[in-house]
Parts: sequence; C-alpha cells; structure tokens
Amino acid sequence: EDKVVQSPLSLVVHEGDTVTLNCSYEVTNFRSLLWYKQEKKAPTFLFMLTSSGIEKKSGRLSSILDKKELFSILNITATQTGDSAVYLCAVEANSGAGSYQLTFGKGTKLSVIP
Amino acid sequence: GAGVSQSPRYKVAKRGQDVALRCDPISGHVSLFWYQQALGQGPEFLTYFQNEAQLDKSGLPSDRFFAERPEGSVSTLKIQRTQQEDSAVYLCASRQTGEYSNQPQHFGDGTRLSIL
Repeated sequence: EDKVVQSPLSLVVHEGDTVTLNCSYEVTNFRSLLWYKQEKKAPTFLFMLTSSGIEKKSGRLSSILDKKELFSILNITATQTGDSAVYLCAVEANSGAGSYQLTFGKGTKLSVIP
Repeated sequence: GAGVSQSPRYKVAKRGQDVALRCDPISGHVSLFWYQQALGQGPEFLTYFQNEAQLDKSGLPSDRFFAERPEGSVSTLKIQRTQQEDSAVYLCASRQTGEYSNQPQHFGDGTRLSIL
C-alpha cells in the first residue's frame, strides 16, 4: 500500500524564522511528488517535483526531491504570519487504472507567531 | 470557470438521508477526482473520471457511494443512507489532461458534510 509520511505534524515558529518540512514516501509506480498549502479552503498547488536534485523555487519557498532516499523537503525562509497553514505532501502514482491519483500525508500544521 | 467550483459549501443531513454533492471542474479539464478529507487527515482518493468514463472507483468506501459525470464536465457524488462516519470534507480536483503530463491537480474548496 502506498504511504506518505510527513514530519513534524505541527510546528510553531516566530516571524522571520526559516522552517523545513519533511516528506518521505513508499509508493509503487511513482510519477511525481507535489506540495500543497491548505488554509481553510482548497489545497492550493505549490510545487510538482519529478526529478531528483533539482530545486524548485517560488519566492521564499523552495523544494527538492531525492528519489534515491525517497523523500522531499519544503523550505520556507523569512516566515510571515500568512504562511500559517497546513502543508500537504502528495505522491502521484499510476494506480494501474490510469488515474494517477494522489496519496497524501497527514500534513504539517505550521503556525507563525508575530 | 476560473477554478474548480463545488456546491454546497456546507451540508447537514440526518443519518439515513441521501445527499448529492456537485463539482464543476475547470473548463476543458479532462480528468476529475473526488477525495474525502477527515478532520486532521490528508485527503484520501475516492474515484477518478476521464471525461465521462469512470476509470477508477477503488477508493469508494462502500456501495452507498456513487459518482457520475455524464457529459464529461460537471460531476456529482451521491451518498445514500448516510452514516455518521461519512462526515468529512469532500474535495473535487481536476487536471487538464487525461494522462500524466506534468500537470498538477487543482482543487475546489470542498463540501463539508455533517451527518447528525
């Protein structure tokens, strides 16, 4: 059974701190790993990673994938209160029925204190 | 539309009632997914459509759950004889293509279902 494990499950930091969120996975027929940010509504897409060692960056957020060790990290530098959210890691895999469904971790709840 | 639209945003039903949840995907998106998200958990896959064809329903928890997408756009998830354990947020996602092609899934805001 496909499995995605995120750590830590929750994290409280002060504004300006840098945080690293972890995601490890065990998946058959891996295709890609995705990061989403979920506030009270829809998970919003952050990154999609398919190749090892290539960092993706968007503003203060960056992410990298290690397909040999089966993990990814999401870094947020100079955190702001608006970064407070649940960060979801998901792995896309071929189910065999052609669906390429996502298997999610439980998420990391990040709280940024002013 | 600009994004994935789901309705209603909130639904309260009594145990044993039937409910229907609607998803309007991004215009032109071929793939449509339904996920169930329990409190404090990540979303879990329910079912997948490619256009009007339901290609994967392996995640549906019981035969009380039924989904359709008759014209390949709007989809409805129906739950019959609801039970308390059905209480969750139901998320719909769409993807531009039918096959894997470096396109992410985009999610709607979800329907929060509460069964009393």
